Amino acid sequence: ETGVTQSPTHLIKTRGQQVTLRCSSQSGHNTVSWYQQALGQGPQFIFQYYREEENGRGNFPPRFSGLQFPNYSSELNVNALELDDSALYLCASTPRGGVASTDTQYFGPGTRLTVL
Amino acid sequence: GNSVTQMEGPVTLSEEAFLTINCTYTATGYPSLFWYVQYPGEGLQLLLKATKADDKGSNKGFEATYRKETTSFHLEKGSVQVSDSAVYFCALNQFYFGTGTSLTVIP
Repeated sequence: ETGVTQSPTHLIKTRGQQVTLRCSSQSGHNTVSWYQQALGQGPQFIFQYYREEENGRGNFPPRFSGLQFPNYSSELNVNALELDDSALYLCASTPRGGVASTDTQYFGPGTRLTVL
Repeated sequence: GNSVTQMEGPVTLSEEAFLTINCTYTATGYPSLFWYVQYPGEGLQLLLKATKADDKGSNKGFEATYRKETTSFHLEKGSVQVSDSAVYFCALNQFYFGTGTSLTVIP
């Protein structure tokens, strides 16, 4: 069984640029959630995708957007990068969707984004 | 709104000591509660969960009881080991995480 994978591992961008992060969900999982984890903080929920549609969103501006593909892999796009966007970005997959789901989330190792 | 307040760290204990990490929550409705652990160099993984009041979640010697009357879900372990050194996160409804508590266990 393949776990959750994310790419790239590390990324350096400059302010104002755009970035795309990628996530492959665990085999058999149709739901992907994205989180931002600033240094020394807990993960902050960005949004969830279930069967290719956004299925819940946290308190993040519209410049954070996403996609989910028919194979359930997902992308996180961030436009107009700001210095405060520097963080570890985590994705997690679950077997089923729903923002009240109690299914176990399986997390990937994360992408470390640095904005200069 | 939904939020989680977690005991601040870092926490340093000797091996075989008793561990408590406090977690309280604010929520509408009837949330589910989770503890996640992040070992050094690894990703987040679920440690235990409880989905209704008075449920007790347990795993690897860790326990937490969902207390609706005190809106708490404190993590406990009777005898910690060096291998328990990690960062522990309390979470509400999977998506609302506390700030994490770093635990170091010394031999």
